[in-house]
Amino acid sequence: EDKVVQSPLSLVVHEGDTVTLNCSYEVTNFRSLLWYKQEKKAPTFLFMLTSSGIEKKSGRLSSILDKKELSSILNITATQTGDSAIYLCAGPNDMRFGAGTRLTVKP
Amino acid sequence: NAGVMQNPRHLVRRRGQEARLRCSPMKGHSHVYWYRQLPEEGLKFMVYLQKENIIDESGMPKERFSAEFPKEGPSILRIQQVVRGDSAAYFCASSPYQGAEYGYTFGSGTRLTVV
Repeated sequence: EDKVVQSPLSLVVHEGDTVTLNCSYEVTNFRSLLWYKQEKKAPTFLFMLTSSGIEKKSGRLSSILDKKELSSILNITATQTGDSAIYLCAGPNDMRFGAGTRLTVKP
Repeated sequence: NAGVMQNPRHLVRRRGQEARLRCSPMKGHSHVYWYRQLPEEGLKFMVYLQKENIIDESGMPKERFSAEFPKEGPSILRIQQVVRGDSAAYFCASSPYQGAEYGYTFGSGTRLTVV
């Protein structure tokens, strides 16, 4: 069974801070890794990463994959209170998610 | 395209009753995944289905839980003889194929409460 581990499990920052969330994986036949954001409802898709070293960006969010280290990071710059959520990563081979990082951004 | 539709949004059952949760995938999507989420926890994979086939049910309890995705109609997650520990949010996601480029689309979930 593929394994996805996220860290930290919980993070509290203040508005304007930059945060880095980590996801490491042990996945057989790796093809790609997914990041999702979950507020009080359904998870929403953020990024799909397939190639090592290529950064994907969407506004203040960016993510990169390191296949050598079997890991990915999700960066959020200039955080806002609306970024407060659970951030989930998953290996899409079997769509198993890590436990998530609960981010709280205080005003 | 209405997206992934789950119903009911909220379901209350007494211990020992049956719960039936429905998931209608996005149009053109033939892959469905079910997840369970306990409060303050991540998404736990339960089962992966394609039309008329269960591909991977390794995350589903062997007793009381079953899932199907018939040729016509929604995917159904069925929980028999519910217990308090079954209270959770149940999400489904769909995709047109495994490894879809833009990820998988989730429904809004069904919140099951067992009293």
